Amino acid sequence: AQSVTQPDIHITVSEGASLELRCNYSYGATPYLFWYVQSPGQGLQLLLKYFSGDTLVQGIKGFEAEFKRSQSSFNLRKPSVHWSDAAEYFCAVGAENAGNMLTFGGGTRLMVKP
Amino acid sequence: EAGVTQFPSHSVIEKGQTVTLRCDPISGHDNLYWYRRVMGKEIKFLLHFVKESKQDESGMPNNRFLAERTGGTYSTLKVQPAELEDSGVYFCASSQVYRADGYTFGSGTRLTVV
Repeated sequence: AQSVTQPDIHITVSEGASLELRCNYSYGATPYLFWYVQSPGQGLQLLLKYFSGDTLVQGIKGFEAEFKRSQSSFNLRKPSVHWSDAAEYFCAVGAENAGNMLTFGGGTRLMVKP
Repeated sequence: EAGVTQFPSHSVIEKGQTVTLRCDPISGHDNLYWYRRVMGKEIKFLLHFVKESKQDESGMPNNRFLAERTGGTYSTLKVQPAELEDSGVYFCASSQVYRADGYTFGSGTRLTVV
C-alpha cells in the first residue's frame, strides 16, 4: 500500500526567505505525485504534479518540486515566500493500480513572518 | 465554468443526529469522489462514483455513512447517526478523466458533532 509522510507539521519562515517542504512517499513503482495547497476557507488547489519525464516540475505561484526516486522524495520549494503563501500544504500520491485514488500526507502548515 | 460546490460549508449537529452533505460536481464530470480529514489527520479517501455507480467504496468507515449519486449528477453523503469521531472536513472532488491528475476539489464541509 502506498503512503505519504510530511515530517514537518508546522513551518514558519520570514517573508522573502526560501522555503522547502518535505514529502516522502512509499510505493513500489513510479507514482503520480502531487502538491496541493489549502488556504483558509478555500478548497484544495493543485500546485503541481509529476507523472514522468523531467524530475523538476514547475507549478503555479512560483512553486517547484523535484522528484528524487533514490530518496523517495518529492519536496516542494519556493525561492522567495510571500505573506499570501501562508496556508496548509499537502503532498499526495496516486497510482495507476489504485485507480485514481489519492493518498495524502498529514499536511504542513506554513506561517509567514513579516 | 463553475467549480465543485459543496453544501453546507459548516454544520454543527448533536451526537445521534443525522446530517446530509451535498456535492455538485463540475458539469460533465462523470467521476465524483468523497474524501475527509478528521481531527487534523490525513485526508483520506472515502469513495468514488462513476456516474451513478459506486466504483470504489473501500474507504467508507462504517455503515453509518451512506453516499448516493442519483442520476449521476450531484451526490449526497449522509451520516446517520453521527458520532463525535465523525467531526472533520469532508471534501468532494470531480474529474472528467479517469486519472488522478484530473481532480478539482470543492471547498469542503466542516462537520462538528457535539
